[in-house]
Amino acid sequence: QKEVEQDPGPLSVPEGAIVSLNCTYSNSAFQYFMWYRQYSRKGPELLMYTYSSGNKEDGRFTAQVDKSSKYISLFIRDSQPSDSATYLCASYLFSGGGADGLTFGKGTHLIIQP
Amino acid sequence: SQTIHQWPATLVQPVGSPLSLECTVEGTSNPNLYWYRQAAGRGLQLLFYSVGIGQISSEVPQNLSASRPQDRQFILSSKKLLLSDSGFYLCAWSVRDNQPQHFGDGTRLSIL
Repeated sequence: QKEVEQDPGPLSVPEGAIVSLNCTYSNSAFQYFMWYRQYSRKGPELLMYTYSSGNKEDGRFTAQVDKSSKYISLFIRDSQPSDSATYLCASYLFSGGGADGLTFGKGTHLIIQP
Repeated sequence: SQTIHQWPATLVQPVGSPLSLECTVEGTSNPNLYWYRQAAGRGLQLLFYSVGIGQISSEVPQNLSASRPQDRQFILSSKKLLLSDSGFYLCAWSVRDNQPQHFGDGTRLSIL
């Protein structure tokens, strides 16, 4: 099974709040995980890339991977109106490799209220 | 640094007309190149990918074709567009397999 599931939202939070975005997957062969941010009418922009379980931090963004639960998360601290966008999680299959191994979730639409 | 360019940004075409969308990458050599289509509520669908000049793999049967005439140029084409070809087309590149893909700003294609 080659799916990554995401709640489409919209998720609406007040400015300054901590945002939690989540994805689940069922195939343990998924090994590489990415988060992308996509503004309206623009291409997805890579935010985070991680392979191992645990946390990876970059500024206000933290990516968390729990391979035992097959659960990946993106946390945004001190959220800003400019963070309003659609967030896509994506993963590569380890055994599949190649270009066709990248699977995207359908995205969560996030709205930060000023 | 690497950059990716896609054009045009917006295109309106009649049913049955041909299509040519172009994508170029700068600042890297021998990248993997990809064409995706993004439809509302359906996520990103991989259409074609290429690991080298003249090497094209198709993921789904469709009315479209792709070509890679130069190392950093990827072209998406159709001889006769269908209404169902409407959508947001994205080009992407990566250094190699299993590495993050980097996207252009897409072409919004409307078929009338």
